[in-house]
Amino acid sequence: DTEVTQTPKHLVMGMTNKKSLKCEQHMGHRAMYWYKQKAKKPPELMFVYSYEKLSINESVPSRFSPECPNSSLLNLHLHALQPEDSALYLCASSQGAGGGASETQYFGPGTRLLVL
Amino acid sequence: AQKVTQAQTEISVVEKEDVTLDCVYETRDTTYYLFWYKQPPSGELVFLIRRNSFDEQNEISGRYSWNFQKSTSSFNFTITASQVVDSAVYFCALLNNAGNMLTFGGGTRLMVKP
Repeated sequence: DTEVTQTPKHLVMGMTNKKSLKCEQHMGHRAMYWYKQKAKKPPELMFVYSYEKLSINESVPSRFSPECPNSSLLNLHLHALQPEDSALYLCASSQGAGGGASETQYFGPGTRLLVL
Repeated sequence: AQKVTQAQTEISVVEKEDVTLDCVYETRDTTYYLFWYKQPPSGELVFLIRRNSFDEQNEISGRYSWNFQKSTSSFNFTITASQVVDSAVYFCALLNNAGNMLTFGGGTRLMVKP
């Protein structure tokens, strides 16, 4: 079962709010990813966790804070966002990441975020 | 640096027509991996196929087929007898040898009209 779940599906928040996006997979994958996708654009990589450790941070502003509590869960904490942060946030997972592995990334349905 | 180009931003066809989505890539890796994903309006990216750079055999899966040409750095996707449910944005993507960088093309929006 190649399923990645994300909650919430939709989120509206003000610029002073603190919220969190959640991602979960039960495929035994050891790598998890956050992507940001603006309308009519391809996904852009934000963070990569490999074996529960942050391995890649694509120069993302500190108002986005990722967390990997365990190998099945990935959170993205949001604080003091700007309207331009409004986008579809996609989570993905793969069996591994890096080290020559050729891993397929499986994506969740995404969270549509609107920052007012 | 690696790059994926999908020159067709939008394609509109009538149901039952065949349609080919083009993908051209650039990479310095000798080993790499190519993917196609489908993104319906709901937003989820659905994995369709992975092809390794050392395997140029073309693949067919039902109405879908893929043509990998290493000599021209292309990985094209053909839908035969298109259906309305095929309407979506399709992304071609390239994974580097290290396995830590998935680069997407700009996407092709396919509209299949009844």
